[in-house]
Amino acid sequence: ETGVTQTPRHLVMGMTNKKSLKCEQHLGHNAMYWYKQSAKKPLELMFVYNFKEQTENNSVPSRFSPECPNSSHLFLHLHTLQPEDSALYLCASSQVDRRNTEAFFGQGTRLTVV
Amino acid sequence: AQTVTQSQPEMSVQEAETVTLSCTYDTSESDYYLFWYKQPPSRQMILVIRQEAYKQQNATENRFSVNFQKAAKSFSLKISDSQLGDAAMYFCAYRDSGGSNYKLTFGKGTLLTVNP
Repeated sequence: ETGVTQTPRHLVMGMTNKKSLKCEQHLGHNAMYWYKQSAKKPLELMFVYNFKEQTENNSVPSRFSPECPNSSHLFLHLHTLQPEDSALYLCASSQVDRRNTEAFFGQGTRLTVV
Repeated sequence: AQTVTQSQPEMSVQEAETVTLSCTYDTSESDYYLFWYKQPPSRQMILVIRQEAYKQQNATENRFSVNFQKAAKSFSLKISDSQLGDAAMYFCAYRDSGGSNYKLTFGKGTLLTVNP
């Protein structure tokens, strides 16, 4: 079982749909992250959850709504998205109370908004 | 704010040869971490190598090594004896050492092609 698992791997949705992305980490980490990866652009940090509390929201539009019910699960709820929201959405986790730590990533969800 | 710049959108190398990927960054911090991540077609970001800014010695991991020039804010990745499996997008990333969040700032990436 991989350390960070994301489902679904691919998602096509209309602009009026509501869908959710799921992320689960099996590493015992206490922080989880959502990143957006668009073509020709650096990865953009969207949200950070530290001990289940949202500690960062990088000016993300409200049509993206994160949820972190526990330290192992992270969701990204999507509604009324725009075509420019099409991208690869990556989830990551890390242990923030250790100095020498690294982020582990899932394989991402390829989202296409039509 | 910290920034990371990768000036080479694409690079290619012959199998068994050596290639160097460039990365520069900007920060006012003195203590931080730098990373190289690899993203193959499977899309999963995999950590290749990590460098701690307070360590002068360049990090090495098997065929992968870095040239860390703190004063120049440069952090290049050298891949020796390149293999077909090394073909991927490579991202340079920066992270502050402190704070309650360990968020990463990424460059735009370099697409590495390995020719047989």
